[in-house]
This record gives sequence, structure tokens and C-alpha cells, in this order.
Amino acid sequence: DAKTTQPNSMESNEEEPVHLPCNHSTISGTDYIHWYRQLPSQGPEYVIHGLTSNVNNRMASLAIAEDRKSSTLILHRATLRDAAVYYCILRDAYNNNDMRFGAGTRLTVKP
Amino acid sequence: SAVISQKPSRDICQRGTSLTIQCQVDSQVTMMFWYRQQPGQSLTLIATANQGSEATYESGFVIDKFPISRPNLTFSTLTVSNMSPEDSSIYLCSVEGVKNIQYFGAGTRLSVL
Repeated sequence: DAKTTQPNSMESNEEEPVHLPCNHSTISGTDYIHWYRQLPSQGPEYVIHGLTSNVNNRMASLAIAEDRKSSTLILHRATLRDAAVYYCILRDAYNNNDMRFGAGTRLTVKP
Repeated sequence: SAVISQKPSRDICQRGTSLTIQCQVDSQVTMMFWYRQQPGQSLTLIATANQGSEATYESGFVIDKFPISRPNLTFSTLTVSNMSPEDSSIYLCSVEGVKNIQYFGAGTRLSVL
């Protein structure tokens, strides 16, 4: 699986938008971009994923660069419950037997 | 979605002993995965467990140390054998659902004295 690069940590104020960046310059044409987050003392949970087009769901939005070498997870209004480690992961559509977790970004949300 | 139950949620064990962790899913799934998360670290894949075949282990993990069973499509176990303090970690199972989304259990927190 191709590697991803994320900032180690970010801070946000409550009820403000948060933009979590991820670089994946070696992404292949069949790699999907997945985002998971891990809340304290819990297992990771799925947030969103996409291939080329921007994606929206009830949790977040995913903005994918035109060249697909980077993406941004957008939390539109951060809450204290969004404090977690966010992982950006690439998964090959045809060889997706596992996920390789990087170090992720630890998001702190300030009241 | 899939609901995953892991048991035990935590345990404290003596070195040299073994612990078996159970992972139960509320629906039939083909692929199950076991991960380790050492204190303050990210997740590392231990092995992939498919029903009807032997588990596939990642580099650095061996069957003698981490034997895995997968007797049916809703259940798997991971055993941590001959434990040492270095095995103190969180062990998590996950399953692959539709659209290649993985669902994780809450994990088993293991402390080895």
C-alpha cells in the first residue's frame, strides 16, 4: 500500500470547521482514500472514503485534489466528541485485504 | 454496518501464560483481521483470518506466538502465547463489510506482569 503523510497533531476550537490534510504523492489509480478515526479507549471507526470526486456524508466531507496526490478531511463544525486520532489510509481496490495505519493526526478540540 | 464484540475487554496476566481473545460478529463476514496497538502507537496488522483456511501472518508475527482460529463466518480467536511484558498492548479485531469498510471491536487491553 502507498504511504500517507499527516501532521502529528492539530487543534481546533469547538463549533469551528477543521481541515485535516493528508499527502499521498505515490497514490496509484486504483487506490481509494479512506479516513478512520479512533476516539479514546475505542477501536477505529470509519469516517469516509473516496476515489476521485469529493464526497460528503453525515460525519464529514472529503476533498480530493485533482491530481489525487493529497486530500483533506473536513469536519464542518467540530465538537468536543470529535477529539480523536484521524487516520488517512490508501486501499487498493483490487488488493484490499488489509489496511496499513500510519501515525495519524491527533485532533484536540478546545471549548 | 457490523457489530463486533470482543472478550475479554481487559486482562492482567503473568508472564509465561497464554490468553485467548474472542471476536464475535453479528453477521457473516468473509474477512476478519487482528491488529495490535502498542501503548501510544498506531495499529499494526498481525494477521488476516479467513474461514476455511489458515491465517495469513504479517512480517514479524508467527503462528506459534499468535495462533488464530476461524471456525465459522461470525467468530475468531487470537491467542497470545507464552506472554512477556513486551506483549502488553491493545489487541483489536476487525471485519470487512460492504464497500470495503472495516468495522472494529473495542479492543482487549492486555497487561503482562
